[in-house]
Amino acid sequence: GAGVSQSPRYKVAKRGQDVALRCDPISGHVSLFWYQQALGQGPEFLTYFQNEAQLDKSGLPSDRFFAERPEGSVSTLKIQRTQQEDSAVYLCASSMDRENYGYTFGSGTRLTVV
Amino acid sequence: RKEVEQDPGPFNVPEGATVAFNCTYSNSASQSFFWYRQDCRKEPKLLMSVYSSGNEDGRFTAQLNRASQYISLLIRDSKLSDSATYLCVVNTGGFKTIFGAGTRLFVKA
Repeated sequence: GAGVSQSPRYKVAKRGQDVALRCDPISGHVSLFWYQQALGQGPEFLTYFQNEAQLDKSGLPSDRFFAERPEGSVSTLKIQRTQQEDSAVYLCASSMDRENYGYTFGSGTRLTVV
Repeated sequence: RKEVEQDPGPFNVPEGATVAFNCTYSNSASQSFFWYRQDCRKEPKLLMSVYSSGNEDGRFTAQLNRASQYISLLIRDSKLSDSATYLCVVNTGGFKTIFGAGTRLFVKA
């Protein structure tokens, strides 16, 4: 597609439930990023992939968060045993270059944990 | 201290006004700089890169001051459609990019 596609657009999870968020980047984009954005805050870096390699996962807040990009295209962010503090918008972005020359973001997944 | 700091605003300005935002960053080794725009409940979108010599894109002018470690965004002749949150973005080298919390702008008729 022409843009970065994320699904689902909205997700309501009960506390303790596992969730999986999908990102389909722009075709041919090498770099893929996941960000978490809380209300009223800027996006916070979670993790970065270059093709299928996860080169930086320093932003993942706990070991309940896991991301993968097995074939270097679609990526999944998984959150196990969700907690209320996980409620946020999860943004995926992709970029053609290894360095940041500007990202294209998807519309995000708004996760609400109840 | 946060790595990228912005005045959260909000800035309330009338149409046609000139408004400027500053952003400071703490890592002197930061290499590239951007301004993104984010509309309410939408994803951030790249507004412009910020070059060392300063750069202009229509009504928007971006400046970088490496010595003082700040970047600025100037909007001339504000339009109602400029109402949004403006995010300052700093790349610290490689692939790690830090976003500021954003400055909210409201342009009134």
